[in-house]
Amino acid sequence: QVQLQESGPGLVRPSETLSLTCTVSGGSVSSGSYYWSWIRQPPGKGLEWIGYIYYSGSTNYNPSLNTRVTISVETSKNQFSLKLSSLTAADTAVYFCARFRTVTTFDFWGQGTLVTVSS
Amino acid sequence: DIQMTQSPSSLSASVGDRVTMTCRASQGISNQLAWFQQKPGKAPKSLIYAAFSLESGVPSKFSGSGSGTDFTLTISSLQPEDSATYYCQQYNSYPLTFGGGTKVEMK
Repeated sequence: QVQLQESGPGLVRPSETLSLTCTVSGGSVSSGSYYWSWIRQPPGKGLEWIGYIYYSGSTNYNPSLNTRVTISVETSKNQFSLKLSSLTAADTAVYFCARFRTVTTFDFWGQGTLVTVSS
Repeated sequence: DIQMTQSPSSLSASVGDRVTMTCRASQGISNQLAWFQQKPGKAPKSLIYAAFSLESGVPSKFSGSGSGTDFTLTISSLQPEDSATYYCQQYNSYPLTFGGGTKVEMK
């Protein structure tokens, strides 16, 4: 059974950069069948896809965040990471990592981590 | 971007009721639609992909239908553990987008 676990700071200051890591177990980020994704959910609101990365390093980002987002993969650690820059209060959300397949979409999710942007 | 509109935004039903909720895409997405169940404080759980294919381990009381722009999720016999918010999501084109959710509560 594939498991994903997010890690990173729960509080970040405005204008700074958020850095989160997703550690994958029970499966490999190097598998050619999957794309490794980040999704966020502001408190009490809906879900927003941030972007994903393929094991080769190719990425696809949501244009609404494109200029501020970087997703990278570390195959040796079976991890992938999210960096989101120029933070504002609007970036306060629960951030989920998830596995994506083009046929079955998001089939496995991490438990999510709350990131609060505040001074 | 493809906009996904879910209705109703919330509903209240009794144990054993048949519950139906809809999802409409702003343009055709073939059958590339998924449904997720999310309980408070938890990650979404995949229920259905490709409009009607049940994810492994999901009870058969959940069913999906539709194609193109209009889709439906049905719970055949509502149970207390089905209280949750249900989201649709299209994966026909980028950016991937979700509906606003339908919150299902027990009467």
